[in-house]
Amino acid sequence: GQQVKQSSPSLTVQEGGILILNCDYENDMFDYFAWYKKYPDNSPTLLISVRSNVDKREDGRFTVFLNKSGKHFSLHITASQPEDTAVYLCAAGENQGGSAKLIFGEGTKLTVSS
Amino acid sequence: EAAVTQSPRSKVAVTGGKVTLSCHQTNNHDYMYWYRQDTGHGLRLIHYSYVADSTEKGDIPDGYKASRPSQENFSLILELASLSQTAVYFCASTSGVRDTQYFGPGTRLLVL
Repeated sequence: GQQVKQSSPSLTVQEGGILILNCDYENDMFDYFAWYKKYPDNSPTLLISVRSNVDKREDGRFTVFLNKSGKHFSLHITASQPEDTAVYLCAAGENQGGSAKLIFGEGTKLTVSS
Repeated sequence: EAAVTQSPRSKVAVTGGKVTLSCHQTNNHDYMYWYRQDTGHGLRLIHYSYVADSTEKGDIPDGYKASRPSQENFSLILELASLSQTAVYFCASTSGVRDTQYFGPGTRLLVL
């Protein structure tokens, strides 16, 4: 089954608005959580990440909230801009011995309309 | 700046043929990954490696082999390409699971 799941395949928001992207995970051993951003025909790039020892991390307009008991994390974007239009991929991972895997969600296609 | 390159950038292959996708990184990273991207599936992990001459199966390894001959190079091999393997393939490298993954530009594979 899908270990990391994004509930919304797509979202549309008006420019300047606030939006929330959600991600649920199954493995309670995950201790690293990230959001990647992907423009069409480009490769994913890291937007923001957080480790399990904190509940929140903010970086400018982007904030990630982690709810470990609920196995849920979210990305909040404030003052949305047209250049935020992209696919957002959540990811979660853990270290297992010497290996390292990051599991990605299906992605949410965000459109910011001006 | 971290750099991951992939070759070829696009390829058309015939069903049953052999395809090799190559990835090269100059980041001095130990970990390298191969993902495939399909609409509605995000990125799915095929194979990965955390040391030269060793590879690990990811979540969807069937139909794929991987080779890590050196720290810098990681290849994905489709011995008998099938229509269902049409996708965009991304390679990535990182120094650890809790660190940034740096992705290559992707290879668009079309199997006919």
